[in-house]
Amino acid sequence: DAGITQSPRYKITETGRQVTLMCHQTWSHSYMFWYRQDLGHGLRLIYYSAAADITDKGEVPDGYVVSRSKTENFPLTLESATRSQTSVYFCASSEASGSIFTDTQYFGPGTRLTVL
Amino acid sequence: QKEVEQDPGPLSVPEGAIVSLNCTYSNSAFQYFMWYRQYSRKGPELLMYTYSSGNKEDGRFTAQVDKSSKYISLFIRDSQPSDSATYLCAMSYGLGGSQGNLIFGKGTKLSVKP
Repeated sequence: DAGITQSPRYKITETGRQVTLMCHQTWSHSYMFWYRQDLGHGLRLIYYSAAADITDKGEVPDGYVVSRSKTENFPLTLESATRSQTSVYFCASSEASGSIFTDTQYFGPGTRLTVL
Repeated sequence: QKEVEQDPGPLSVPEGAIVSLNCTYSNSAFQYFMWYRQYSRKGPELLMYTYSSGNKEDGRFTAQVDKSSKYISLFIRDSQPSDSATYLCAMSYGLGGSQGNLIFGKGTKLSVKP
């Protein structure tokens, strides 16, 4: 299916375990983003990527690692999960070429992560 | 002070009511202003965008930006139960590259009762 997908949709893990959340988009958008959404904080940017092999930190990057070897994939890894990382994680993509028509961010359905 | 402030609600209105949703911001460098709608257990989707100050209308929705007051609004006329969702304001310094990164408000949860 075309669009942006995330997997898994739901994940329960334990403190200290490594977890990888996957994001895949079929539009060949250059920019991809990872956000977390928490009650009381709204959506906060974790990391973003301008192209394959180019990534940069957002507002709340600590405890997360990203990579982007292919344009269409942007996995997010929690190297040692903590309870404070319990959240809903959204991936988004955008062409980000400088026009409001192309810079719209399209969001995936989200991954609901619980760290016990 | 957070860069973008938005009352989280919840806001409950009867069907047909006019709804007003608002955000304030602190950084005058923001140039692009957006409203996203997020249904329960879904990702946000862009509803409307506005560049700089002024109004923009799209069907039952009107977005307003007052840069002098650092205040943006979204009005929904003739609200419908299908409008029940969380509305997030977002803004950016520019377009393209990191300038286009979005700063979001916390979102306002709206419920329209039949």
